[in-house]
Order: sequence, then C-alpha cells, then structure tokens
Amino acid sequence: EVVLTQSPATLSLSPGERATLSCRASQSVGTYLAWYQQKPGQAPRFLMYDASSRATGIPARFSGSGSGTDFTLTISSLLPDDAATYYCQHYTSYPITFGQGTRLEIK
Amino acid sequence: EVQLVESGGGLVQPGGPLRLSCGAYGKVLSNYWMSWVRQAPGKGLEWVASIKRDGSEKYYADSVKGRFTISRDNAKNLLYLQMNSLRVEDTAIYYCAKLLGDVTVYDLWGQGTMVTVSS
Repeated sequence: EVVLTQSPATLSLSPGERATLSCRASQSVGTYLAWYQQKPGQAPRFLMYDASSRATGIPARFSGSGSGTDFTLTISSLLPDDAATYYCQHYTSYPITFGQGTRLEIK
Repeated sequence: EVQLVESGGGLVQPGGPLRLSCGAYGKVLSNYWMSWVRQAPGKGLEWVASIKRDGSEKYYADSVKGRFTISRDNAKNLLYLQMNSLRVEDTAIYYCAKLLGDVTVYDLWGQGTMVTVSS
C-alpha cells in the first residue's frame, strides 16, 4: 500500500501570499497523483490530476508539480476563500490512498 | 445540475447491517465507474470500494473486505453499499463519488450520508 505523507499539517498565510503544500509517497506513483480541496461541512472538490492537470473550472492560481515520490500543490496569490483542508491521492493501483491532509488557514 | 445524492445513513448497533444508496441526477450512472469514500469524524478521507460500469469488477479496502458489498442497478441509476457486521470504527460520513473516465480520481461527489455505529 502506498502511504502518502502531507506537510505541513497546518499552514497559516495572508491573502496575496503563495502557499506551497507537499505530498510525499512511500514509493513511486509516477504522475498518478490528484489533489482535492475540502471546506468544513462540504464534500471534497476535485482540483488536480496527473500531478499537474487542473480539473475543469479550477483557476490558474492552482498549480501542481512533481513525479515519482515528491509532489507539490501551489496556490499563488491566496484568497480568503482558499481556506480549506487539501488532500492528495494516488491512483496507481488499488488500494487507493489519500494523504492525511494539510489545513490551510488564511490570516 | 448534475448531482449525486446519498441516502440510508443513520444510527446502527455494532454487528448490525445498513444499506446506503446513491442516486445520480442529470447523469447516467451506467457510463461511469463509481466509488464509496468515507471520512470519520475529524479525520481524513478513506477509499472504501469501487465498481466498474457494468458491475463486473469490484475492489474493496482491506478494512471492509468481506463485510461490505458495492453494487449498482443501472436501470434505476442507483449505486449501493451494503454494510454488514458494522463496527464502531465504521462510523463516518460516506460519500459516493464518480470517477473521471477510467482514471480513479473523483470529479463529482455527493453531499455524504452519516453512519454512526454505537450501542
């Protein structure tokens, strides 16, 4: 089973700043890595797949990078609405696993 | 508007059964792989099970294998999760989610249904 470790656990930034979220896999997942955003009381929202391809309707402020075992989700020019928990997910094979999440706070 | 809507959650005693349903509105479910993903209170996301478009392939997390069964009725546009021998640790919000084509990423989620296993 692939274990995904996200860091930091919590990130606190101000509007307009850049957020860099990390996801590390216990073994190579190629680029089979997705990202989701979840706000309290809501279902997850699909952001990114294939490590760097934005989902439909996701603004260009969100970008993804990486391959193998190290991945990054970058949110440039933060907005208050970006406050949420972000999860990475691999899909190389079953079992599908998610990271434990990074909570992004906007000051 | 395309929606997935789960139902069937509730309070159940340990060892008991429960069946969840997921209906699709504005989408023909038979065109898609589907999954169940759960989230324990205050915790992260956990994949539970997936099923192919025609139901011919099913995959389960080890934590539910042998106790949960994923199924679908494409004629009724419904997805199911039959949960037996429920444990306290199965307490979670259960989401149904649609896969993006043949790629096991989830581009559409329901609002979730809460399952509480407690005596």
